[in-house]
Amino acid sequence: DGGITQSPKYLFRKEGQNVTLSCEQNLNHDAMYWYRQDPGQGLRLIYYSQIVNDFQKGDIAEGYSVSREKKESFPLTVTSAQKNPTAFYLCASSIFGLIKNQPQHFGDGTRLSIL
Amino acid sequence: SQQGEEDPQALSIQEGENATMNCSYKTSINNLQWYRQNSGRGLVHLILIRSNEREKHSGRLRVTLDTSKKSSSLLITASRAADTASYFCATDGDSGAGSYQLTFGKGTKLSVIP
Repeated sequence: DGGITQSPKYLFRKEGQNVTLSCEQNLNHDAMYWYRQDPGQGLRLIYYSQIVNDFQKGDIAEGYSVSREKKESFPLTVTSAQKNPTAFYLCASSIFGLIKNQPQHFGDGTRLSIL
Repeated sequence: SQQGEEDPQALSIQEGENATMNCSYKTSINNLQWYRQNSGRGLVHLILIRSNEREKHSGRLRVTLDTSKKSSSLLITASRAADTASYFCATDGDSGAGSYQLTFGKGTKLSVIP
């Protein structure tokens, strides 16, 4: 079955610690995205990548970093510079092509909390 | 920036009734998409409607788009308890040549009572 796998499902961060959230897809999609969702809110874009070895900042990139070394993988690091990291993090992927904004496929999220 | 805004924020109906959710947006769009999110899960794509389309159907879902009013509606007919979820609209907003971003609203939380 093709899909997106996010791990871990729950993650706890200590003060001053960096943590990395994993996102893997086997849909052969070029584009991948990271969103943050706070309670009762919509999704806000953190970073996105349209192709391997390239990524762009979204609306709330400060305190986060990403890499895209492989087509299948787009890990997100929440750094100690992100002072309010408690949220639900969602990874998504889509076909990238001439037609913009194809439907996005989502993983089941990682819930990050502060210890 | 929040491009789409759903209305109402919450909706509670009896099983078998129809549910209508609305989405308003600010700038011109290429397409508008609706997604569903069950509690604690990721989003699932429901339907995409292009700016030159006025209505689209998929099973029990009917989506309309009025670009002159910058609004869209999602109708779920003959609702079931399993339709209980949050529903989000997403637009491509102020997309320039290099923009492939979607902007999501805050969602409508639908509760279908058995």
